[in-house]
Amino acid sequence: ETGVTQSPTHLIKTRGQQVTLRCSSQSGHNTVSWYQQALGQGPQFIFQYYREEENGRGNFPPRFSGLQFPNYSSELNVNALELDDSALYLCASSARTSDRGEQYFGPGTRLTVT
Amino acid sequence: GENVEQHPSTLSVQEGDSAVIKCTYSDSASNYFPWYKQELGKRPQLIIDIRSNVGEKKDQRIAVTLNKTAKHFSLHITETQPEDSAVYFCAAPRGQAGTALIFGKGTTLSVSS
Repeated sequence: ETGVTQSPTHLIKTRGQQVTLRCSSQSGHNTVSWYQQALGQGPQFIFQYYREEENGRGNFPPRFSGLQFPNYSSELNVNALELDDSALYLCASSARTSDRGEQYFGPGTRLTVT
Repeated sequence: GENVEQHPSTLSVQEGDSAVIKCTYSDSASNYFPWYKQELGKRPQLIIDIRSNVGEKKDQRIAVTLNKTAKHFSLHITETQPEDSAVYFCAAPRGQAGTALIFGKGTTLSVSS
C-alpha cells in the first residue's frame, strides 16, 4: 500500500450541493494530482498542485477547485454538484523533483450525487 | 495535448498463457510510460514503468516494451495466474516526467483456471 490517504471513503450528496474531499500525500512527496474516475473508465486528470499552487489543469469547469497546504496535503472542492459528478475521486502524490515521474494513488473517495 | 489509445478493451486468457496489452501515444516528447493495475474497488497500483531511453524492462512475469519511432508501448504478462485478473491502464505524461498523467481507457484482463 502507498502512504497516500483520502477522506472520506464514501459520500452521498444532492445535486446543487458542495463537497470537499481531502488527500494526504506520501511522505517526501510535494505534488498532488487529482483524478476523476467514472465507472468503467480510466482516471481523468482534474488538476495538479505543486508547492501550494495549481500546476496544470485538465478539461474540468471552474466549479472544480483545489488547495494545497504547506504540509503538501490537498483538498478538492466541487460546487453546484451535478449527477455526472458521481465518480471515484483519486488523488496521487509524486515527488516533483523525481525524474521518474511515479505517481502513487490513494484509495479514493466514492462520490454519489442524487 | 497528449492522447493515449489502449487495446484491447477486454482480454480473456487461460491460466499459464501470455497476455499482451498495447498502447499508442501522440506526443513524441513523452518520456515516461507507467502501467497501473486496478482490482475491483481498489486504487490503481503502479506495476511497472519505462523511460524513453530504454526499449524494454522486465520484472519477473511482467515486461514493458517501448517503440519510440512508432510511438507505442506494450505490457506483456507471461504465465498468467487468476490473481492477474484486473483492469490494466497505460499512461503517458501530459508534460515532463513528474507531471500529471493521461490514461488509456483500460483493459479488463480475465484469467480463467
